[in-house]
Amino acid sequence: DAKTTQPPSMDCAEGRAANLPCNHSTISGNEYVYWYRQIHSQGPQYIIHGLKNNETNEMASLIITEDRKSSTLILPHATLRDTAVYYCIATFSGGYQKVTFGIGTKLQVIP
Amino acid sequence: DVKVTQSSRYLVKRTGEKVFLECVQDMDHENMFWYRQDPGLGLRLIYFSYDVKMKEKGDIPEGYSVSREKKERFSLILESASTNQTSMYLCASNFTPDEQYFGPGTRLTVT
Repeated sequence: DAKTTQPPSMDCAEGRAANLPCNHSTISGNEYVYWYRQIHSQGPQYIIHGLKNNETNEMASLIITEDRKSSTLILPHATLRDTAVYYCIATFSGGYQKVTFGIGTKLQVIP
Repeated sequence: DVKVTQSSRYLVKRTGEKVFLECVQDMDHENMFWYRQDPGLGLRLIYFSYDVKMKEKGDIPEGYSVSREKKERFSLILESASTNQTSMYLCASNFTPDEQYFGPGTRLTVT
């Protein structure tokens, strides 16, 4: 898996968009970018993933740069419930894949 | 309903004891994982199994071993528990990285 780098913490005002960056400069052509979040001590939950095109679902949007060396997770209207640790991972999409998380970004949504 | 269960939520053991942490999933997933989570160090992969009797080391396998005799069960073994193995242990399973599900965690204290 390619190494990813994220800022350790970020703040965001409630109702504003939260933009969480991730660098993955060594990502290979077939590796996807996955995002998860972990609330309190629960296990991480999957949010979204993408290969090269931007993706959107009911939870978030994922913007991947054209060179695929970085990406941004966007929570369009952050709420207090979005306060969590967010993990960015680069790995292959098929089965039999290790999934390693690292430290992630602690997002604090401020009222 | 998708479910990953772990044998204990809280466990207290003495230094030098052999410790078994059990994880069971009911989703017929091929892949199972053991992680530990520590403040400031994030979520680190200990071992990964992609099939019965198959295992692969994660980032921090030292001091641990695993067993997967049946598809639904993945055990983490601390052969001789030490105080630096005091941690939260999380088990997970998946078919693919976007379908990863976690158990509730076991908080292990080694005294």
